[in-house]
Amino acid sequence: AQSVTQLDSQVPVFEEAPVELRCNYSSSVSVYLFWYVQYPNQGLQLLLKYLSGSTLVESINGFEAEFNKSQTSFHLRKPSVHISDTAEYFCAVSQGAQKLVFGQGTRLTINP
Amino acid sequence: GEEVAQTPKHLVRGEGQKAKLYCAPIKGHSYVFWYQQVLKNEFKFLISFQNENVFDETGMPKERFSAKCLPNSPCSLEIQATKLEDSAVYFCASSRIHGTEAFFGQGTRLTVV
Repeated sequence: AQSVTQLDSQVPVFEEAPVELRCNYSSSVSVYLFWYVQYPNQGLQLLLKYLSGSTLVESINGFEAEFNKSQTSFHLRKPSVHISDTAEYFCAVSQGAQKLVFGQGTRLTINP
Repeated sequence: GEEVAQTPKHLVRGEGQKAKLYCAPIKGHSYVFWYQQVLKNEFKFLISFQNENVFDETGMPKERFSAKCLPNSPCSLEIQATKLEDSAVYFCASSRIHGTEAFFGQGTRLTVV
């Protein structure tokens, strides 16, 4: 069975500060890793994904995540956040076309 | 269509009433997934389909919940005799065969009063 743990339920940061949202997973098989973002009263949007290859993956809006197999982690980082990054962030794993297993979510709050 | 379309956006039902939610997956996608989000977090997997066939129903409550994906019709999730704890946002997602990414709809907020 797979499980995902997001270590922080809330992360408050100041605008233009760096941020890291932590995600650890457990699985006995190879998995795909994802970060989804949920803005208030909206659905989930894919932020980035790791399938194979380079362990560092980037999104178009400045986020990046690094797959660390030995630590079974997939932490999300951004060097400088904006007010518009305020949202709930979900880490998830899956095996191809299988269901997604989500973490509990991290609420990122950006303060001016 | 180019997005997963869920209807209705909001649904209010009295306890004991039936609720039916609909999902039109992206055209060409073979997999459909239903998730339940309670209290703004904790996504719980309910069921998935490969075309009209149930692919994985390990998250589906055995009583009161049922789902279908019939050819040429939106997929549906039905809750018989709703209970207060069924209040949640229900999300549908779809993906291509051999795909690695699921695309989510905007969700249906079910409120049971």
